[in-house]
Amino acid sequence: DTEVTQTPKHLVMGMTNKKSLKCEQHMGHRAMYWYKQKAKKPPELMFVYSYEKLSINESVPSRFSPECPNSSLLNLHLHALQPEDSALYLCASSQDLYSQETQYFGPGTRLLVL
Amino acid sequence: DAKTTQPNSMESNEEEPVHLPCNHSTISGTDYIHWYRQLPSQGPEYVIHGLTSNVNNRMASLAIAEDRKSSTLILHRATLRDAAVYYCIRTPNFGNEKLTFGTGTRLTIIP
Repeated sequence: DTEVTQTPKHLVMGMTNKKSLKCEQHMGHRAMYWYKQKAKKPPELMFVYSYEKLSINESVPSRFSPECPNSSLLNLHLHALQPEDSALYLCASSQDLYSQETQYFGPGTRLLVL
Repeated sequence: DAKTTQPNSMESNEEEPVHLPCNHSTISGTDYIHWYRQLPSQGPEYVIHGLTSNVNNRMASLAIAEDRKSSTLILHRATLRDAAVYYCIRTPNFGNEKLTFGTGTRLTIIP
């Protein structure tokens, strides 16, 4: 099973709302990632977790708060977002960091901030 | 800075081979070349990767120039399902934890 699942598929939220995106994998991967993809643009890395610890934060605003409660789950907590944060949020996983392992991507959560 | 250059778009006829070029003239001796593609409304998916030698798998072939300043992804027989944005990505030898996607090549397959 090489599947990364993401929920919800779509999300609409107001600027004062708090919501969470969820990502799950059961491949035994120890590295997990969040990417942001604006329309017609390539994905951009946001966060990297390795063995459930935050390894890389690409200077993402604090209104995005990642969490890795266990090796299979990755959450992205959203609070006080701006309309320009509307995008496709992609989760990925790989066996580990510091190798040439394939990253497996989920289908993404399409977020609209009103 | 994606450090790779690809044409913005290409077209190919169905059932014909497709050669997708990528320029990485500043590549270091230990950087790998990865290719991912993103089909419409999906997340990116891995296609192939290599270091120096040409590589083949069930999806594609990767031809790396002898000086490693460029590479070509080869789809041997394009189908409509191969219509996607193809990304050529350099990764350092110590790991690919930071995939830096460039703008990619949008491949259109003509029936």
